Amino acid sequence: EDQVTQSPEALRLQEGESSSLNCSYTVSGLRGLFWYRQDPGKGPEFLFTLYSAGEEKEKERLKATLTKKESFLHITAPKPEDSATYLCAVQAKNQAGTALIFGKGTTLSVSS
Amino acid sequence: DTEVTQTPKHLVMGMTNKKSLKCEQHMGHRAMYWYKQKAKKPPELMFVYSYEKLSINESVPSRFSPECPNSSLLNLHLHALQPEDSALYLCASSLGTAKETQYFGPGTRLLVL
Repeated sequence: EDQVTQSPEALRLQEGESSSLNCSYTVSGLRGLFWYRQDPGKGPEFLFTLYSAGEEKEKERLKATLTKKESFLHITAPKPEDSATYLCAVQAKNQAGTALIFGKGTTLSVSS
Repeated sequence: DTEVTQTPKHLVMGMTNKKSLKCEQHMGHRAMYWYKQKAKKPPELMFVYSYEKLSINESVPSRFSPECPNSSLLNLHLHALQPEDSALYLCASSLGTAKETQYFGPGTRLLVL
């Protein structure tokens, strides 16, 4: 069964304290892995798409990496405005159409 | 521009009402989606339209009726909903249906009384 697991469920950081969020997946064939940021009561905001192991993408303080079994979202020197829920989703080759399998998310809180 | 718009932002309806949610994108995307998201849960796929044809219906009750009038518009018609249908309803779109990034709208917060 295709599955996505994110850890930790919640993460509290001090401003400037770098850390990583994990997304592990088991799918029969990966089409793509997606990271989104979601603020309370709002729609998910697209961050990164990764397609193959070894791929890395960066945007400001965020860097996403992908291996054959997991992805990491590295946050360097976070600021309070980085506080949000970070969702990981995969699209599997055996999924009909374009269905995304979401993890349950990691809620990040950054205090000043 | 990667904007998906949704109206209304908030909706309160009774169990006997009929209402509609609207979604619009002008990015030339040919796939559009409806998701339902309950508090502190990830989004759950409801429907997928590809080239204006319904391609996926994830066993959604018939009180939810999707419609895709053209490639830029997606509606979700609501009738005889239950209180447990209260949730954030998200629309998304993507360029195609394989390996394409889905872009989400801001959502409609629905409360069924």
